[in-house]
Amino acid sequence: NAGVTQTPKFQVLKTGQSMTLQCAQDMNHEYMSWYRQDPGMGLRLIHYSVGAGITDQGEVPNGYNVSRSTTEDFPLRLLSAAPSQTSVYFCATSLQLGLETQYFGPGTRLLVL
Amino acid sequence: RKEVEQDPGPFNVPEGATVAFNCTYSNSASQSFFWYRQDCRKEPKLLMSVYSSGNEDGRFTAQLNRASQYISLLIRDSKLSDSATYLCVVNRAGNTPLVFGKGTRLSVIA
Repeated sequence: NAGVTQTPKFQVLKTGQSMTLQCAQDMNHEYMSWYRQDPGMGLRLIHYSVGAGITDQGEVPNGYNVSRSTTEDFPLRLLSAAPSQTSVYFCATSLQLGLETQYFGPGTRLLVL
Repeated sequence: RKEVEQDPGPFNVPEGATVAFNCTYSNSASQSFFWYRQDCRKEPKLLMSVYSSGNEDGRFTAQLNRASQYISLLIRDSKLSDSATYLCVVNRAGNTPLVFGKGTRLSVIA
């Protein structure tokens, strides 16, 4: 079992470029989420999903889109990257929203120039 | 009051020392409590869940005080490998996303 995988590990973008951060899990978890982590800010929730076809906004959703067409995959899209989106992005999953342990992917480090 | 508050540290302690971290939460309806550990440039990983009766896992003891709305983590006989950031995690109520504290940094020194 791979658990939670994220690709790419590192990415450099120019302002205005778009890209998709991939997250996949093989644990059959219904709940998936995206966080960003910045120095001094802790983990901030961007978007989350409680199952295929269902997504909701977290604390800092602006500039990001998500979709959940399958249980396994939860991609995060940056439509027009900005330097303020330079961060480390973590995908996390759990069996159930809010009450269960969350398992994190290894993260994607994004630099927007 | 912030939802989850932690002292950011750093806590610099010698090997073998006992160290304790506290974390306060603001929502009295919170039901789930966890401590996560995050090593430098790595993802957070569950250290232990926190139960109402308190729980212990080897050198680590977690306590919950619902009346005062805080949880604690005690590490006994600190090892160099315990150096990390410890995140306090709480849910708001029921089926809502977990809220992460900003973490407390621990450095164990030889």
